[in-house]
Amino acid sequence: AQSVTQLGSHVSVSEGALVLLRCNYSSSVPPYLFWYVQYPNQGLQLLLKYTSAATLVKGINGFEAEFKKSETSFHLTKPSAHMSDAAEYFCAVRPETSGSRLTFGEGTQLTVNP
Amino acid sequence: DVKVTQSSRYLVKRTGEKVFLECVQDMDHENMFWYRQDPGLGLRLIYFSYDVKMKEKGDIPEGYSVSREKKERFSLILESASTNQTSMYLCASSFLGVKQYFGPGTRLTVT
Repeated sequence: AQSVTQLGSHVSVSEGALVLLRCNYSSSVPPYLFWYVQYPNQGLQLLLKYTSAATLVKGINGFEAEFKKSETSFHLTKPSAHMSDAAEYFCAVRPETSGSRLTFGEGTQLTVNP
Repeated sequence: DVKVTQSSRYLVKRTGEKVFLECVQDMDHENMFWYRQDPGLGLRLIYFSYDVKMKEKGDIPEGYSVSREKKERFSLILESASTNQTSMYLCASSFLGVKQYFGPGTRLTVT
């Protein structure tokens, strides 16, 4: 079975500071990994995905994530936070062989302070 | 661009009522999903469907059922709504399973 743990349900950064949102996964087979973002009163949008190609994945809005097999991690980063990045972020895992269902983490609420 | 629509953004129902939540996608996707989202719990899969008339239980199917009579439409049914089913419900669809596209969500309150 696969699972995802997001460390920190709330993260607060200043505008212009580094954003780091942590995600660790467990999977018995090679995983596909995803980061989704949810802005207030909206559904989820895909930020980026890892599907066993390059370990450093670039997504939309300046976000990127690095797949580290040795650490079973897929942390999301952005060098400089913008006020518009305030949202809830979800990490999700899907075993490569499992078909289409995802397992989501608990979510991390990002606050960006002026 | 893929569009997933949900029939209501906000819904208020009484305990014991039968509730239908509708989801429609316009991209001919085989796979459709229903999740509920609760603070601190993330998204939990209720049911999913990989084809017309096909369904599989997710992680929390108790108290719910689903219907998929047409490829574009996936309905979630609460047979007898209870207050612990107050939640945000999200529908999603995907093709080949790599990327899921989400609807805007239905916030259901059961009183």
